[in-house]
Amino acid sequence: SQELEQSPQSLIVQEGKNLTINCTSSKTLYGLYWYKQKYGEGLIFLMMLQKGGEEKSHEKITAKLDEKKQQSSLHITASQPSHAGIYLCGADGINAGNNRKLIWGLGTSLAVNP
Amino acid sequence: GAVVSQHPSRVICKSGTSVKIECRSLDFQATTMFWYRQFPKQSLMLMATSNEGSKATYEQGVEKDKFLINHASLTLSTLTVTSAHPEDSSFYICSAGKGGETQYFGPGTRLLVL
Repeated sequence: SQELEQSPQSLIVQEGKNLTINCTSSKTLYGLYWYKQKYGEGLIFLMMLQKGGEEKSHEKITAKLDEKKQQSSLHITASQPSHAGIYLCGADGINAGNNRKLIWGLGTSLAVNP
Repeated sequence: GAVVSQHPSRVICKSGTSVKIECRSLDFQATTMFWYRQFPKQSLMLMATSNEGSKATYEQGVEKDKFLINHASLTLSTLTVTSAHPEDSSFYICSAGKGGETQYFGPGTRLLVL
């Protein structure tokens, strides 16, 4: 079965610093999703990547999917305290009923110190 | 937009009682909704896929009789935790799709069973 590995598990940065979070799949990715979660809250959709080499940006967050479609990175430029939270990557998979489902990485916990 | 709500946001109940959690897509119709469970500092665990008008598809290891799912309309799915016990205490999150790949998540329901 497909597995997603995220690194690092946790990250503490000083405000203003850049950072990168990685998500590596054991199989080819056909849809890769990045979400952000504040502790005890729901998930906020950030970006979806499908094509090899694809790159998307939203405000100070950029996500890339490598050409082989097995690794994605999430890069935050000039981090702010509002960027703190748990970042989860998810990938398209198949559930027990042969329908689509999302497979999740374990998440990266980000803290940004002012 | 794509807004998903959950009710209640928090619930405390006595051991042995049943608890119903609602998941609603507020501004779109969702033929499929997903129910997740999340333990502290851990990733999301898919419990079941809820299909409108048909039986839910449960992931391996999830008890169907314990976690009853009903998807009565295109905007509402319910998860009932029957005869809840302290080990059922967790954070339950639902998600729904608009027909495309992206899933939109509710804010979650924190269940505490005493």
